Amino acid sequence: EDKVVQSPLSLVVHEGDTVTLNCSYEVTNFRSLLWYKQEKKAPTFLFMLTSSGIEKKSGRLSSILDKKELFSILNITATQTGDSAVYLCAVVRISNFGNEKLTFGTGTRLTIIP
Amino acid sequence: KAGVTQTPRYLIKTRGQQVTLSCSPISGHRSVSWYQQTPGQGLQFLFEYFSETQRNKGNFPGRFSGRQFSNSRSEMNVSTLELGDSALYLCASSRDRGGQPQHFGDGTRLSIL
Repeated sequence: EDKVVQSPLSLVVHEGDTVTLNCSYEVTNFRSLLWYKQEKKAPTFLFMLTSSGIEKKSGRLSSILDKKELFSILNITATQTGDSAVYLCAVVRISNFGNEKLTFGTGTRLTIIP
Repeated sequence: KAGVTQTPRYLIKTRGQQVTLSCSPISGHRSVSWYQQTPGQGLQFLFEYFSETQRNKGNFPGRFSGRQFSNSRSEMNVSTLELGDSALYLCASSRDRGGQPQHFGDGTRLSIL
């Protein structure tokens, strides 16, 4: 059975701090790993990672994948109150029938204190 | 470009009833996936539709069903509602079958009394 485990479950930091969110996985026929940010409503896409060691960056957010150790991290530097959200990690694998199957972790709830 | 639209936003039902949720994907997107989100289980995949056919299915009972129309709009139906069906139901669309990333709607929050 596919497993995607995110840690920590929740995190409270002060504005300006740097945070690292973790996502480890156990899937066969791995295809890609995605990060989403969910505030009150729809999860919004952040990054898609397919290759090990290549950092993806968008402003203060960055993410990297390690396919050997089966994990990814999401870094947020100089955090702001607007970064408060649940961050979801999802892993895509190819099934035996050639379908793509997506499995989500339960998320990390990040709270930024002003 | 309009995003993924889900209706209704909120719904309250009682046990034993049935419910139909609607999802309109982003224009040009042909794949629609449905997810159930609960505090304890996180986001769980229900099914994916592409070209009016179910292409992928998660581990949910047969009470959960769906369909897709020729304009790519999709509906999800849950029959004989149970208390445990209370959740946020999210729809996501992508251009191609199984395509990533998916774009999510704001969801329908279903409460069962």
